Amino acid sequence: NAGVMQNPRHLVRRRGQEARLRCSPMKGHSHVYWYRQLPEEGLKFMVYLQKENIIDESGMPKERFSAEFPKEGPSILRIQQVVRGDSAAYFCASSPPNPSDTQYFGPGTRLTVL
Amino acid sequence: LAKTTQPISMDSYEGQEVNITCSHNNIATNDYITWYQQFPSQGPRFIIQGYKTKVTNEVASLFIPADRKSSTLSLPRVSLSDTAVYYCLVKSSGNTPLVFGKGTRLSVIA
Repeated sequence: NAGVMQNPRHLVRRRGQEARLRCSPMKGHSHVYWYRQLPEEGLKFMVYLQKENIIDESGMPKERFSAEFPKEGPSILRIQQVVRGDSAAYFCASSPPNPSDTQYFGPGTRLTVL
Repeated sequence: LAKTTQPISMDSYEGQEVNITCSHNNIATNDYITWYQQFPSQGPRFIIQGYKTKVTNEVASLFIPADRKSSTLSLPRVSLSDTAVYYCLVKSSGNTPLVFGKGTRLSVIA
């Protein structure tokens, strides 16, 4: 059973461009979480999605950031008009449909904004 | 959400037992204590979780006193590969976001 997959692993963008980060949850998992980690910091929650629904987006900036988890395909975190401050590691985690305390993390996408 | 406090860093020699204590004075009745491990350039990896008393798995043990205001992660006979950041988290049951602090950076020395 493959773990959580994220791609790309590394992404370089220039200021003003768009960044799209993809997350494929573990098989059978219908809950996806996105977190952001700055250097030497802990992970910060951004958004929690179930299939086709955003459950909690309290940690996501109101502007330029959006997330989706369509019925088919991976979850996408989209950052429009990137700025240098968006440079960070973005991690996705998934958990099974039944209430579960365990979230399983992917390897992350490292975004660098030039 | 209960806030956690843990040491910023710890050093240990190979083969020693390492105990990392975390305080969570405001833990709620339905909160669980969860520990994750993170290596550089990787996502966090679940280690162990408990509610009270003692929990043990193939990787670690977790000791939780009766008042649940603290917990101790115990790593038996650490090796160089255990060098990582260890996060103590408190969360309610169910599908809720995790709240990470800065963790404890464990360095294992040969």
